[in-house]
Amino acid sequence: DQQVKQNSPSLSVQEGRISILNCDYTNSMFDYFLWYKKYPAEGPTFLISISSIKDKNEDGRFTVFLNKSAKHLSLHIVPSQPGDSAVYFCAASAWDYKLSFGAGTTVTVRA
Amino acid sequence: GAGVSQSPSNKVTEKGKDVELRCDPISGHTALYWYRQRLGQGLEFLIYFQGNSAPDKSGLPSDRFSAERTGESVSTLTIQRTQQEDSAVYLCASSLRQSGANVLTFGAGSRLTVL
Repeated sequence: DQQVKQNSPSLSVQEGRISILNCDYTNSMFDYFLWYKKYPAEGPTFLISISSIKDKNEDGRFTVFLNKSAKHLSLHIVPSQPGDSAVYFCAASAWDYKLSFGAGTTVTVRA
Repeated sequence: GAGVSQSPSNKVTEKGKDVELRCDPISGHTALYWYRQRLGQGLEFLIYFQGNSAPDKSGLPSDRFSAERTGESVSTLTIQRTQQEDSAVYLCASSLRQSGANVLTFGAGSRLTVL
């Protein structure tokens, strides 16, 4: 049962433009949402998180937006840089602290 | 160490053999997790340790899979009688499990190929 879904397997964006990654979830008990970034042959690395009581969290070029009523969150990367080319995973946790991950979105930033 | 270490980084084995994958978490991290990622898929939860006990083993795919953790440190994931569908990258992560977002720090993974 996939509780976290990333419906876009890939995204191509020009350098300097905005990248928008989307994530949907089904479990209303999730209280934290996280984004991870993964390069080939490396483990995922933490990028940014948001609490379910917030609707926006910003860290440098990265902003995460949460719409609880729609059970939807998005990650905005502005401006996109070549080093942002990676697989991005959306993850969520409830009281048990176990992270449930989406299938990932591969971002390619074109020069 | 500074990060989560996993060994071996690559393992090729024949169907039916047993394999052991090792994880050294960040020192002081009380929580330890095993996930796996099959080709083209997302991260699939396998098991979670708090200290040396495993309160959640719900993701282990079959009784061929087992894991243990000792000294609130090193963990070993064992797969007995490996099958081709076990081929995946096995990722270990650890965290402090404090209040707030549970940020897991991942190792680079152990890539298992079952021929």
